[in-house]
Amino acid sequence: NAGVTQTPKFQVLKTGQSMTLQCAQDMNHNSMYWYRQDPGMGLRLIYYSASEGTTDKGEVPNGYNVSRLNKREFSLRLESAAPSQTSVYFCASSDGRQGAGDEQFFGPGTRLTVL
Amino acid sequence: DQQVKQNSPSLSVQEGRISILNCDYTNSMFDYFLWYKKYPAEGPTFLISISSIKDKNEDGRFTVFLNKSAKHLSLHIVPSQPGDSAVYFCAASAAGGTSYGKLTFGQGTILTVHP
Repeated sequence: NAGVTQTPKFQVLKTGQSMTLQCAQDMNHNSMYWYRQDPGMGLRLIYYSASEGTTDKGEVPNGYNVSRLNKREFSLRLESAAPSQTSVYFCASSDGRQGAGDEQFFGPGTRLTVL
Repeated sequence: DQQVKQNSPSLSVQEGRISILNCDYTNSMFDYFLWYKKYPAEGPTFLISISSIKDKNEDGRFTVFLNKSAKHLSLHIVPSQPGDSAVYFCAASAAGGTSYGKLTFGQGTILTVHP
């Protein structure tokens, strides 16, 4: 069991470039999430998918789009990268059955720098 | 508006002593509280949680206490070990409405346990 995997691990972009961060989980989880972590800010939710076929905005969705490709995969797209999107991005998944009490399992993160 | 706050950016303790990490929240709709531990270059991992109907939950060396009237929770680690050195995040979740399953994180506290 690989758990939650993310690609790439590191990425450097120029302002205005686009890219897609990939996330996959092999735990048969229903819910998946994208967070960003910035110094002194903790983790902030960008988008989430409660179940296959649904997506919804989190706390900081501006500048991002997501696709829940199937139950396993949840991608995050930056259409036109900005320096403010320099951050560490984490994907997570959870069973989704308990809701508020669900433990979320996190991937190792993608460190993104936008110049 | 920071709904979950960890006011101590760092904490340093001696091996074998107690570590106490604190967390305050403002949203009375939060039903579940979770603690995550994060090592450098890794994703957060779940540590322990507590439902709002309880005031204490214990798992081995880790105990979480919840004071709902004060909107305060704390994580106690006894005895502390050097391997506990990490960043600890407090997170909260609400059961109902649009917050279902979503986590709100605090800023994190860096714990250093000295041998």
